[in-house]
Amino acid sequence: RKEVEQDPGPFNVPEGATVAFNCTYSNSASQSFFWYRQDCRKEPKLLMSVYSSGNEDGRFTAQLNRASQYISLLIRDSKLSDSATYLCVAKAAGNKLTFGGGTRVLVKP
Amino acid sequence: DTAVSQTPKYLVTQMGNDKSIKCEQNLGHDTMYWYKQDSKKFLKIMFSYNNKELIINETVPNRFSPKSPDKAHLNLHINSLELGDSAVYFCASSQSSYNSPLHFGNGTRLTVT
Repeated sequence: RKEVEQDPGPFNVPEGATVAFNCTYSNSASQSFFWYRQDCRKEPKLLMSVYSSGNEDGRFTAQLNRASQYISLLIRDSKLSDSATYLCVAKAAGNKLTFGGGTRVLVKP
Repeated sequence: DTAVSQTPKYLVTQMGNDKSIKCEQNLGHDTMYWYKQDSKKFLKIMFSYNNKELIINETVPNRFSPKSPDKAHLNLHINSLELGDSAVYFCASSQSSYNSPLHFGNGTRLTVT
């Protein structure tokens, strides 16, 4: 079993709709979590950190469920520019950050 | 100014050659990393250095040798390149605090022919 798993998608989303997807992690000692966005042939860029109580950044909402060991990302009012691969990251002790395989989102007009 | 910069951006070389990729960060971070992203897009950690000390060394062939002359630089030297080494190599940096995210360089696309 991979340490961090994601549904690869693609999630085909009509413009303006809401999309949500999860990421599960196997290391219960993971201390912090992040969502990154990666566009084709570009480097991953930090989208948002994930806090225990959940957090929102504009149209993006992240949640953490430690009991079930998953994090989620919800995108409201999807824009064409939201089309990308979204990478989930779990950080454990010793600064080891493990990436999921990514969830591809395609927003269509 | 670019926060994490790596060179070269593209590297095309033949099997058996030796090549190096350089990385520098000006964020004042104490930890630097090398990640490999293969054709299936999985990002896998290869090495991590904290204040010039090697702290993570995943299962990587010993043809790959990282070197950190100071905490702002982490270079990667690859000996006897093989076809399977073709991938995108990303350098990244972070602070060692638990909630500090990674900042990536723009990647080096290595093609071994």
